[in-house]
This record gives sequence, structure tokens and C-alpha cells, in this order.
Amino acid sequence: SQTIHQWPATLVQPVGSPLSLECTVEGTSNPNLYWYRQAAGRGLQLLFYSVGIGQISSEVPQNLSASRPQDRQFILSSKKLLLSDSGFYLCAWSVYRGESTDTQYFGPGTRLTVL
Amino acid sequence: EDQVTQSPEALRLQEGESSSLNCSYTVSGLRGLFWYRQDPGKGPEFLFTLYSAGEEKEKERLKATLTKKESFLHITAPKPEDSATYLCAVQDPGSARQLTFGSGTQLTVLP
Repeated sequence: SQTIHQWPATLVQPVGSPLSLECTVEGTSNPNLYWYRQAAGRGLQLLFYSVGIGQISSEVPQNLSASRPQDRQFILSSKKLLLSDSGFYLCAWSVYRGESTDTQYFGPGTRLTVL
Repeated sequence: EDQVTQSPEALRLQEGESSSLNCSYTVSGLRGLFWYRQDPGKGPEFLFTLYSAGEEKEKERLKATLTKKESFLHITAPKPEDSATYLCAVQDPGSARQLTFGSGTQLTVLP
């Protein structure tokens, strides 16, 4: 069965500090990978998605970046955090099997607080 | 631009009191509509995918239905463990299988 991991689970960082969040998927190959952010009381906002190693698409202009160094690893980074970067960050995966749609499955999330 | 609106924002039910959550959507061509359950501090848990108007799917006390403009999540005789935020999302054919989410309905079932 497939498993998705995210770490750290919680993080408190000062404004201006760097950020690195990691997501790994087990039990599948060549997944589509996604980073979402969820602000308090709001829906999920797609930040980045990747259909393969080194292939990253950005949905929202911001001071965040993403990388996919390995097939099942997705990293979210920032050089300098802003207060507005606080939120709940979720990684998701899906596998396209030639069907009309594919289901996304989410990880446990990382709670980021920028002070 | 795809839009997803969920109502109500919050719903409090007594145990056993059935009700429905609404998800209305605007999308150029629906590829799929998804329902997720999210517990506090956790990632969303997949519940259902609906593909075309008239389709229905059930899981325990939950039943999801789909029309051309909205979806309903019916909860029959809910229990306190059904308390969670329920999220609706749509996937349109013009995107790289991205999802657009609603803001969710926070359901509280009182014993």
C-alpha cells in the first residue's frame, strides 16, 4: 500500500529565516506530487505541482519554491520566511492511470508558524 | 476560473439527526468532484469521487450525490465520531489534474 510522509510535523521559525519541508511517498512510482497551503478556516490553496523529477509548476507567485530531486521526494523551500507564510502545509500524491481523473491522497501536514 | 462554494460553513447536529451538506461549483467541464474529510490538525482523508450528474456513492452513514451544478453529502443518523470538516473539490479537464477546493463545512455532532 502507498504511504506519504511529511516532516517536520510542526515548525516555529522567525521571520527572515530559511525553510525546508520534505515530503516522501512510498509504495508507488512516478506519482504526481502537490504542495498545498491551508490558512485557518479556509480551503486548500495549490502552491506547486510536479509530474516528474525536476518538473515543477507554480500556481501562486510568492517567496516559496519547490524541488523534486527524486521520483518520490518533494521539497518546499524558502530563503526568507514572511509572517504570511504561516499555515498548514499539505503534500499530496496521485497516479494518473489514463482515466479521466485521478484521486489525490494527502499527507499528515506540517504546521508552520512564523514569528 | 473554477469556483467551489460550500454551505453551511458550520453545522451542529444532535446524534441521530440526519442532514445534508452542500457543494456548488462552477467549472468549464467537470472531470471529477471529490469529497474529503479532515480532522483537526490532520491531512484530508479521501471519501468519494463523483464523475457525472446523477451519480451516487455511499460509505457507512455518508452518501454523496451529484447534479450539474452541485453536490450533496447526506449524513444519516450521524454519530459524534462523524464530527470533522468536510471538504469538496473539483477537477477540471483543462488543468494538469489540479483540484480547486471549497472552504469546507465544519460538522459537530453532539452526543
